[in-house]
Amino acid sequence: DQQVKQNSPSLSVQEGRISILNCDYTNSMFDYFLWYKKYPAEGPTFLISISSIKDKNEDGRFTVFLNKSAKHLSLHIVPSQPGDSAVYFCAAHNQGGKLIFGQGTELSVKP
Amino acid sequence: GAVVSQHPSRVICKSGTSVKIECRSLDFQATTMFWYRQFPKQSLMLMATSNEGSKATYEQGVEKDKFLINHASLTLSTLTVTSAHPEDSSFYICSARDRRKFSTDTQYFGPGTRLTVL
Repeated sequence: DQQVKQNSPSLSVQEGRISILNCDYTNSMFDYFLWYKKYPAEGPTFLISISSIKDKNEDGRFTVFLNKSAKHLSLHIVPSQPGDSAVYFCAAHNQGGKLIFGQGTELSVKP
Repeated sequence: GAVVSQHPSRVICKSGTSVKIECRSLDFQATTMFWYRQFPKQSLMLMATSNEGSKATYEQGVEKDKFLINHASLTLSTLTVTSAHPEDSSFYICSARDRRKFSTDTQYFGPGTRLTVL
């Protein structure tokens, strides 16, 4: 039972353009959502988060949008840079204090 | 920033042996640590939640007798894979929650340990 889904395993974007990474979830009781960036053979690093009571959170080039009715969130990176190339994981925080991760999307930003 | 270390970063062992992985929070105290496992091209799957001074809570389907967790101090948790088999080969990642902070984004991840069982 995959409660958090990232249906695109990979995404390729030109440098300077917008990257949009998508995430869907099934449990309406999740109260917080997070995006992590991960390089091979390293642990995830926190990128940005959003509370379930908000619909948008922005931090520099990164913006996360939450659509609760659709149970969908997205991460926008603009402008995309080659250093953004990594695997991005969406995670949902449940009321038990646990993080439920999606499968990840590998972003490749080409110069 | 908060740093979590894991040791070893990579281990290769023979089938049937036990392997211990350490997770340390270097500059903060962590009452709660989490252990995850990631298979190639797949999600991070939570294995267990480790609370300092108490027994770990295991997720459904994770054998507690096979994956022994000890959280003896506020800065150290260990995961021991007992009688490892090739199917246990995976990338094991720990995370630690800073006891001073209560927001949900203060779960810091270690760099992971690549276990290969021959």
